[in-house]
Amino acid sequence: AQKITQTQPGMFVQEKEAVTLDCTYDTSDPSYGLFWYKQPSSGEMIFLIYQGSYDQQNATEGRYSLNFQKARKSANLVISASQLGDSAMYFCAHESDSNYQLIWGAGTKLIIKP
Amino acid sequence: EAGVAQSPRYKIIEKRQSVAFWCNPISGHATLYWYQQILGQGPKLLIQFQNNGVVDDSQLPKDRFSAERLKGVDSTLKIQPAKLEDSAVYLCASRPSGGKNNEQFFGPGTRLTVL
Repeated sequence: AQKITQTQPGMFVQEKEAVTLDCTYDTSDPSYGLFWYKQPSSGEMIFLIYQGSYDQQNATEGRYSLNFQKARKSANLVISASQLGDSAMYFCAHESDSNYQLIWGAGTKLIIKP
Repeated sequence: EAGVAQSPRYKIIEKRQSVAFWCNPISGHATLYWYQQILGQGPKLLIQFQNNGVVDDSQLPKDRFSAERLKGVDSTLKIQPAKLEDSAVYLCASRPSGGKNNEQFFGPGTRLTVL
């Protein structure tokens, strides 16, 4: 069965610094995707970035990039130049290409300090 | 385009009462998901629909939870009778059918408190 591990329950980061949120996964799927979502205190789940298991390049979306190391089964999210509005819960999720179901990590609470 | 709609946003009930949640996905999205998110945890999939058929309900506590998507569009999730441990946020999400690199789009959620 698939499993997602996020080892950082909480992080404090100074505004404008870069931050890396860790995610490791365990899967037996030959083809899969990895997602990062942001959940502010208001509760909505916001999609940030996607990495396919066969993508040759690491995914980037604006200030977000994904450090994908397939052999190590890690998919860390990097946020450059953090902003106060980045304070939120961040979830890593694995999607099987066979059923398009997401398995979620426990999340990391990120707090940006001014 | 309009996002995923859910109602109500908040619900407070006493244990053993029943409750129903409604979800209207993004137009044209064939796949619909219901999740339960307990405070401090990631979402847990309850049920997945493809059009009006159930793809996976293996984690739905069927003795008290039921869900339907009769016309392949909107969906309802019901709990009867509710228990204290059902207190959570219930999230609905939809996804275009097929293909990789298609994210799930989430509604605002329904926060349920069981007293």
